[in-house]
Amino acid sequence: GAVVSQHPSRVICKSGTSVKIECRSLDFQATTMFWYRQFPKKSLMLMATSNEGSKATYEQGVEKDKFLINHASLTLSTLTVTSAHPEDSSFYICSAPRTGDFQETQYFGPGTRLLVL
Amino acid sequence: AQKITQTQPGMFVQEKEAVTLDCTYDTSDPSYGLFWYKQPSSGEMIFLIYQGSYDQQNATEGRYSLNFQKARKSANLVISASQLGDSAMYFCAMRHYSNYQLIWGAGTKLIIKP
Repeated sequence: GAVVSQHPSRVICKSGTSVKIECRSLDFQATTMFWYRQFPKKSLMLMATSNEGSKATYEQGVEKDKFLINHASLTLSTLTVTSAHPEDSSFYICSAPRTGDFQETQYFGPGTRLLVL
Repeated sequence: AQKITQTQPGMFVQEKEAVTLDCTYDTSDPSYGLFWYKQPSSGEMIFLIYQGSYDQQNATEGRYSLNFQKARKSANLVISASQLGDSAMYFCAMRHYSNYQLIWGAGTKLIIKP
């Protein structure tokens, strides 16, 4: 399968700081990437759709100014959690569909565990 | 409304037995895809198997097979000869071909007993 990397895998930060999470498609180009948030023992919650060369599309209830998304190239999308607070602590995971696959399977990064103190 | 339902929050299965994880879906769109993902405790989402709405045959991938019953709108995952490493959360998801977004079920926690 295709490979998607995500960095960092874990981050602990103080309240009020900003945290950047990178999502890279390593062996394919991704014009679209997705950012999810997952609470313990829950399903994935789509936060936003990252579009290469244009603005991200945010899901209802997700603060655009809080969760900044930049899709600078066909292989890289970043999620920046600005002025992080303890309630932002969660597991963040990105995915990218590999266009050209008949089924256009989404491949997932390994996820980032964010803990805000 | 588009929806995925997984009615089994948790399952215990004896090692080497077969296990069926249930998934039903609701959609009015004739074109859709159904996916199963495995999420071990490490957190990564691992793609297991795919079934397209127009596929005539049930999908199979090694020990995984998908029991696709279109009229009943069900897409159950069957794992044959379960192994201890199969212990994980399993998610069913549906994709519509109008966009890439996936609609997720609540997941089933599968525990394989030795």
